[in-house]
Amino acid sequence: EVQLQESGPGLVKPSQSLSLTCSVTGYSITSNYWGWIRKFPGNKMEWMGYISYSGSTSYNPSLKSRISITRDTSKNQFFLQLNSVTTEDTATYYCARYPLGRRYYFDYWGQGVMVTVSS
Amino acid sequence: DIQMTQSPSLLSASVGDRVTLNCKASQNIYKNLAWYQQKLGEAPKLLIYNANSLQTGIPSRFSGSGSGTDFTLTISSLQPEDVATYFCQQYYSGYTFGAGTKLELK
Repeated sequence: EVQLQESGPGLVKPSQSLSLTCSVTGYSITSNYWGWIRKFPGNKMEWMGYISYSGSTSYNPSLKSRISITRDTSKNQFFLQLNSVTTEDTATYYCARYPLGRRYYFDYWGQGVMVTVSS
Repeated sequence: DIQMTQSPSLLSASVGDRVTLNCKASQNIYKNLAWYQQKLGEAPKLLIYNANSLQTGIPSRFSGSGSGTDFTLTISSLQPEDVATYFCQQYYSGYTFGAGTKLELK
C-alpha cells in the first residue's frame, strides 16, 4: 500500500527557512510525479510544486523565488524547502502523489503536518 | 487563476439522505475536476476524477457530474462514515482548490 508521511518542525521563526520531509513507502519516487500542497487557516488550499520521477521540478509562480523541492531516492523521500517565511506561511503542509502518467489530480496524500510561523 | 467556489460550506443531513455538494469554477474547465474526502485527522482521499470517474475502491454511492463551470458530487444514501469535509480541485489550468463543504449528521 502506498503511504506518504510528512515530517518536520512544527514551529519556524519569521525570516527563517521551513524544511519538510515526505517519506514514501510502498512505491518508488522514481516513478510518477510528487507534489506539495498546503492548507491555510480558513481552509484555502494552494498547490506549491512538484518533483518528477526524473528529478525535474515545477513550482507555483507565486512561490518561485522561495521554494525548492528536492529528493533522496536512496531513502525514497522528497523534501520541501521554503525560504524567508512569514506568518502568512502558517499552514498545514501535505505531500501527495500524482497518478502514473498524469499530472492532474492526486491519488495518495499524507496526513499533513501543521507548521506555525511565529517568533 | 481559476477560482473554485464550493457550496454550501456546511451541510447537515440524515443517514439515508441523498446529498448534493456543489463546486463552481470561475471559468470553463471542461471536465478537469477532482473531488476529495477528508475525515478529521486523516489524509485526503481521492473520490472522483475527470468530473465523473469513480476512483478504484470508492463506494458506488458516490458520483460526480457536471462540466464547464458547474459540478456536483452526490452521495446517493448518506452513511455515518461519510461525515467529512469534501473539496474539489481543478486541473485545467494549474491547480486550484475549493475551500470545502463540511458534511455532518443531522
